[in-house]
Amino acid sequence: EDQVTQSPEALRLQEGESSSLNCSYTVSGLRGLFWYRQDPGKGPEFLFTLYSAGEEKEKERLKATLTKKESFLHITAPKPEDSATYLCAVQASNFNKFYFGSGTKLNVKP
Amino acid sequence: NAGVTQTPKFQVLKTGQSMTLQCAQDMNHNSMYWYRQDPGMGLRLIYYSASEGTTDKGEVPNGYNVSRLNKREFSLRLESAAPSQTSVYFCASSAGLADPNGYFGPGTRLTVT
Repeated sequence: EDQVTQSPEALRLQEGESSSLNCSYTVSGLRGLFWYRQDPGKGPEFLFTLYSAGEEKEKERLKATLTKKESFLHITAPKPEDSATYLCAVQASNFNKFYFGSGTKLNVKP
Repeated sequence: NAGVTQTPKFQVLKTGQSMTLQCAQDMNHNSMYWYRQDPGMGLRLIYYSASEGTTDKGEVPNGYNVSRLNKREFSLRLESAAPSQTSVYFCASSAGLADPNGYFGPGTRLTVT
């Protein structure tokens, strides 16, 4: 069964305290794995796409990595403005199956 | 560019009532999608349209219908609303099915009593 599991459900960090969010997946033929940021009351905002194991993408304090079974979103020296829910999604190779995880709610305290 | 717009932002329905959620994009995207988001369950795909003139079922299509009115607009209809359809509904668009869902609308918060 195709599924996406994100952990932890919630994460509280002090400003500057680096950490990682996990996204583990099972899908029949991975075409792509996607990371999004969602602020309260808003739609998800696209961050990264990863297509193959070993691939890495970076944007400011965020770095996404991919293995054959999971992806990590590393947050280096986070700031309060990084507080949001981070969503992971996978697309199956037949394109019409697109699964989201339930997200990790990140709270960065000043 | 407005990106992806959705109307209405909020709606309260009684069980059995019908309504249509509207979505429009101004990015000349071929593919459009409707999702629902429930607490603890993540976003689930209801229907999608790979290109103008085509629509297909996603993961949770029961109780919904869609219309791809033209390249810009993709509507979601609830024919007979049920309390289980209380949710936040998001529309999204992308250049094509092979592209990530890059752009989401602001969402419609629907409550069915």
